[in-house]
Amino acid sequence: NAGVTQTPKFRVLKTGQSMTLLCAQDMNHEYMYWYRQDPGMGLRLIHYSVGEGTTAKGEVPDGYNVSRLKKQNFLLGLESAAPSQTSVYFCASSPIADEQFFGPGTRLTVL
Amino acid sequence: GENVEQHPSTLSVQEGDSAVIKCTYSDSASNYFPWYKQELGKRPQLIIDIRSNVGEKKDQRIAVTLNKTAKHFSLHITETQPEDSAVYFCAATVNAGKSTFGDGTTLTVKP
Repeated sequence: NAGVTQTPKFRVLKTGQSMTLLCAQDMNHEYMYWYRQDPGMGLRLIHYSVGEGTTAKGEVPDGYNVSRLKKQNFLLGLESAAPSQTSVYFCASSPIADEQFFGPGTRLTVL
Repeated sequence: GENVEQHPSTLSVQEGDSAVIKCTYSDSASNYFPWYKQELGKRPQLIIDIRSNVGEKKDQRIAVTLNKTAKHFSLHITETQPEDSAVYFCAATVNAGKSTFGDGTTLTVKP
């Protein structure tokens, strides 16, 4: 089992560009999450999904969109990147509403 | 929404000493309280968790206590070792596994 994987691992964007981060899990988990982690801060929830075809807003959803067309994949989109979106992005999944299994993270820099 | 405060932000101990990290939460509906350890450049990983119907849980050198009335929970690490050095995050979880994280505690264990 690969667990939770994220693509890409690193990315540099210019202000205004768009991109999609892919999260994939092979554990058949129902719940999936996208977080951002900034220096000196904890993980802040961007969006989450409680099952295929569902999405919901977290604490900091502005500037991001998500889709969960397949149970194993959760996509995070940035339509028009801004320097404030420079961060490390973590995806996570869980079978039920308890322990979350995290991916390795994506380091995004917006110039 | 939920608010989680974590203290201290940094903690330095001698090898063999104990370390205690405390968190408070605001939403009385929170019912699951995990603790994650994050080593530098790595993903967060669960080290211990507790549910709202339990007051204390122990796993070898690690223990967690929960006081629902006061809305606080604590992580206790005994006989600390250099490999315990990391950032520790607490979280409070409501429905759908929606977790709010503390800002983290950087623990340094000096040999």
